[in-house]
Amino acid sequence: ELKVEQNPLFLSMQEGKNYTIYCNYSTTSDRLYWYRQDPGKSLESLFVLLSNGAVKQEGRLMASLDTKARLSTLHITAAVHDLSATYFCAVERRETSGSRLTFGEGTQLTVNP
Amino acid sequence: ETGVTQTPRHLVMGMTNKKSLKCEQHLGHNAMYWYKQSAKKPLELMFVYNFKEQTENNSVPSRFSPECPNSSHLFLHLHTLQPEDSALYLCASSQGTLGRAGNQPQHFGDGTRLSIL
Repeated sequence: ELKVEQNPLFLSMQEGKNYTIYCNYSTTSDRLYWYRQDPGKSLESLFVLLSNGAVKQEGRLMASLDTKARLSTLHITAAVHDLSATYFCAVERRETSGSRLTFGEGTQLTVNP
Repeated sequence: ETGVTQTPRHLVMGMTNKKSLKCEQHLGHNAMYWYKQSAKKPLELMFVYNFKEQTENNSVPSRFSPECPNSSHLFLHLHTLQPEDSALYLCASSQGTLGRAGNQPQHFGDGTRLSIL
């Protein structure tokens, strides 16, 4: 059974600081996704990582994937308050019944002024 | 505007009631999904439909009954639910099921917050 673990689950940081959220998964995967969820809102797709060594950046967020270590990171650079949200990683695996996404528990990020 | 619309946004029902959740996607996608999001637990995939055909039922109790009349609409019929079914129910869509969608992620609706009394 595929397990996806994120850490930390809660992160409080000051504006201007850098930090990294980690996503570990237990078996081989085909793709890895990062999503953002604001309170009461839907999940917004941030990144799709397709292969080992993939790195994608959008604004102050950068995601990377190491399939050998079964690890993805979401790095936050010079955080701003608008980044406060819950961030989920999700791992895709193709199975005989089709593909499925398995989500981590989410990291609740609060950026303080 | 997320392109995936869910109604109602909030629903309170008793354990003996029957209600339905509705999801509509305006993105031209052919795959739709139901997820359950409980407090302090990861999102759980419930059902997958591809071209109106159910391709996955993730061991969901029969008190949840999905219906997909066409590629744009997805329903979740609820009856005799239990208090532990209180959660946020999210609908998503994608172009093709996972693995055949190229780089396309799933697009999520805002969810229906369900409370069982």
